[in-house]
Amino acid sequence: DTAVSQTPKYLVTQMGNDKSIKCEQNLGHDTMYWYKQDSKKFLKIMFSYNNKELIINETVPNRFSPKSPDKAHLNLHINSLELGDSAVYFCASSQNGLAEQYFGPGTRLTVT
Amino acid sequence: RKEVEQDPGPFNVPEGATVAFNCTYSNSASQSFFWYRQDCRKEPKLLMSVYSSGNEDGRFTAQLNRASQYISLLIRDSKLSDSATYLCAEQGAGSYQLTFGKGTKLSVIP
Repeated sequence: DTAVSQTPKYLVTQMGNDKSIKCEQNLGHDTMYWYKQDSKKFLKIMFSYNNKELIINETVPNRFSPKSPDKAHLNLHINSLELGDSAVYFCASSQNGLAEQYFGPGTRLTVT
Repeated sequence: RKEVEQDPGPFNVPEGATVAFNCTYSNSASQSFFWYRQDCRKEPKLLMSVYSSGNEDGRFTAQLNRASQYISLLIRDSKLSDSATYLCAEQGAGSYQLTFGKGTKLSVIP
């Protein structure tokens, strides 16, 4: 069983479109995260949710809106996609915000 | 500004060699430290947490030097399968945020 799963794995879309990425974890963890890894492989936190409550909201354009319907799910909706949004987006989870984080397989987003 | 710095490499070492990576951090309030391994086009996977007293897991040894604000990862008897990018990460006290370095690329060659 996959501990942290994401869909889709690949997403190719045009500028200006709106898209969503979904994440689910079956580890029973309380905290979930979205990270962005750009072409230079730099992994940077975007958002964190603890028990469905937003904890971290880094300097991210407000075109990005996370939503956590329950502890096991954290989705990321992106409006008006731009070329610079092309990256790999990783979801992660941890038992609580202070424990080791486990990553999903990533969603490779390409904006054309 | 919190930063985590790593030598990007690449480190090209022969099988069986011992290789060490360092990672410096600027946040003196950092509480927890981790090493992750990331294979090409895969997700980061937790390799080991770094404890104040240092810790060892098989061929891997992690150490923390708070005075000089760096952590290290030592890999003994390198295997071809150790080829990957190694990311260090730090977490401030009470913080939910992990700050990652940019990674050090290791290539173990036959």
